[in-house]
Amino acid sequence: EAGVAQSPRYKIIEKRQSVAFWCNPISGHATLYWYQQILGQGPKLLIQFQNNGVVDDSQLPKDRFSAERLKGVDSTLKIQPAKLEDSAVYLCASSLVGGGYQETQYFGPGTRLLVL
Amino acid sequence: AQSVTQLGSHVSVSEGALVLLRCNYSSSVPPYLFWYVQYPNQGLQLLLKYTTGATLVKGINGFEAEFKKSETSFHLTKPSAHMSDAAEYFCAVSELGAQKLVFGQGTRLTINP
Repeated sequence: EAGVAQSPRYKIIEKRQSVAFWCNPISGHATLYWYQQILGQGPKLLIQFQNNGVVDDSQLPKDRFSAERLKGVDSTLKIQPAKLEDSAVYLCASSLVGGGYQETQYFGPGTRLLVL
Repeated sequence: AQSVTQLGSHVSVSEGALVLLRCNYSSSVPPYLFWYVQYPNQGLQLLLKYTTGATLVKGINGFEAEFKKSETSFHLTKPSAHMSDAAEYFCAVSELGAQKLVFGQGTRLTINP
């Protein structure tokens, strides 16, 4: 079974530029998550989708971050414009059913973003 | 609100020695607790989880953790460290109705030959 795929793996941009990350979850997984992991910290949930609807985006900086999950499968996370503090690893994860509190999340390898 | 504290951002042990990584949580309702491991340049992988039932949980790669409600702890242990255990370890908590994981800041485990 293929795991969660993410691209690109690395990205370097100048501040105020735009950037987009792509995620393909495990086939059949209804719930998809985007996390931000700043160096030395644990992952922080940015947004959670169930199929193509948003379940939780309370920690997403909506003035610069946006995300979509068309057709309930792939997802794209965008930052526009980027700030220095956005430098982090962006992790995508998926889970099988409804993102329940005890359900295992499966993580992709992440995209490492450096904003200069 | 849920929160997780991992005591020690860096733990170093000798190969063959006991591994103990500490995790304390805060939750207003019975928690569900997880340990994830992250190898360099990889995503997180589930080691083990506690939901209900037996408080001693066994996971992959010889790791286990014990849920102690009275101490609000979920410490991770392994009797004998192996070089391949070197990685970052994250404790996480979720709770009924919350639907999301809250992670600790992580503990980097180094194994000395």
